[in-house]
Order: sequence, then structure tokens, then C-alpha cells
Amino acid sequence: GAVVSQHPSRVICKSGTSVKIECRSLDFQATTMFWYRQFPKQSLMLMATSNEGSKATYEQGVEKDKFLINHASLTLSTLTVTSAHPEDSSFYICSARDYDSQYFGPGTRLTVT
Amino acid sequence: QKEVEQNSGPLSVPEGAIASLNCTYSDRVSQSFFWYRQYSGKSPELIMSIYSNGDKEDGRFTAQLNKASQYVSLLIRDSQPSDSATYLCAAVSGGSYIPTFGRGTSLIVHP
Repeated sequence: GAVVSQHPSRVICKSGTSVKIECRSLDFQATTMFWYRQFPKQSLMLMATSNEGSKATYEQGVEKDKFLINHASLTLSTLTVTSAHPEDSSFYICSARDYDSQYFGPGTRLTVT
Repeated sequence: QKEVEQNSGPLSVPEGAIASLNCTYSDRVSQSFFWYRQYSGKSPELIMSIYSNGDKEDGRFTAQLNKASQYVSLLIRDSQPSDSATYLCAAVSGGSYIPTFGRGTSLIVHP
């Protein structure tokens, strides 16, 4: 089946620093990848949709200058959280579209101290 | 606005019973429907997809779709404690590839 990897799985950083999260589709090419954020006991929140070779489409209320998304190839998308603050601490999950189904990566737990 | 509604639960069933999870959607042109399982602290895992009216079976799981009633369900037969998780329903409209997720139903299977 379709496999999506994410790295790192867990990261702790200091307030004001930037963190990059990688999302890779391992056995298929994903023209579209999605980035979600999930706070404890809450539902998935779509942050942005990224298409290979073009700018990401951000959902309303998501700051594109703070959450930089780069979909450089058909198998790799990156999310950079710039100038992270404690309120950015969350579970970040990417997913990749394979035909009409969407497969999720294992997620990255970000803690900003 | 497209919405997918699920009862948050928790739905509690005894081991060996049938668990029935339900979902309704607001967008009549939705064409693809998915069920995901999410264990606490983990990311969602795709378990079923369904596109046509009727039932689709895969092992202990059966997805049911009724487009006239805008209703999707997931039945889990012979429920096991390992099935305890949050189940997310998602719908994709025709012409779009961005799914709309429900908030999920928490299922607890007790021994």
C-alpha cells in the first residue's frame, strides 16, 4: 500500500527558532500533499494544500509567512515553522494523495519551549 | 459550506459485538467517502473507501453508503479491544480532491 514518511517524529525547539518537517511519499508520486495540525483531543485542521512545482494554497487563518511550504518534487514536501512560539506546539501531520485516496504520514510532534 | 457530521461518542461496545459508526454529509455532490482510524497520539490510517451506494466489505469492516440520505456508516464485526480508537469519516466532492473530515467518533471496545 501507499506509504508516507515524516521526519522528524518529534522535535523540541526554543521559542524564536525555525523548524523544518519533511514529508515523503515512499512508493508513489504525489502531485498533491496536505499539511494538517491537530491539538490534543481536537479534530484535524487542514493548514494548506501543496502541489508539486507551485505555491501552496493556505486555509483561511493560516499565516503563509509563518508556515512555509515547499513541494519541491513529486515525493517530497516540507513545512517550515518559522519563529516558532509555544502556541505553535502541536501535532503536525502530512498526507499525500494517491489517485483518489489520501494517506497520512506518522506525524511530527512539535514542542516549543 | 461542506460539512461532515459525526457523533463524538464515546461509543462503548462489548468485545465480540458489532460496532456501528455513522456519518452524514452536507454536500450532495460528494462522490468519494473514506473511513480512517486514529489511535490516540497517532496519525489517521485509511481503512475503507466507498464510492457507490450499497455495502462494501473488507474483513471485519463493512462500509455502507446511501447517497439519497447523504449517509455513510462503518460496521465493525466481532469488535476487539484493539479496535478502540477514534474513527474519522471523510467526504470528497466531485471536481475537488480535498476531503472534508468529520470530528471523529471515539469507539471503546471493552473486554
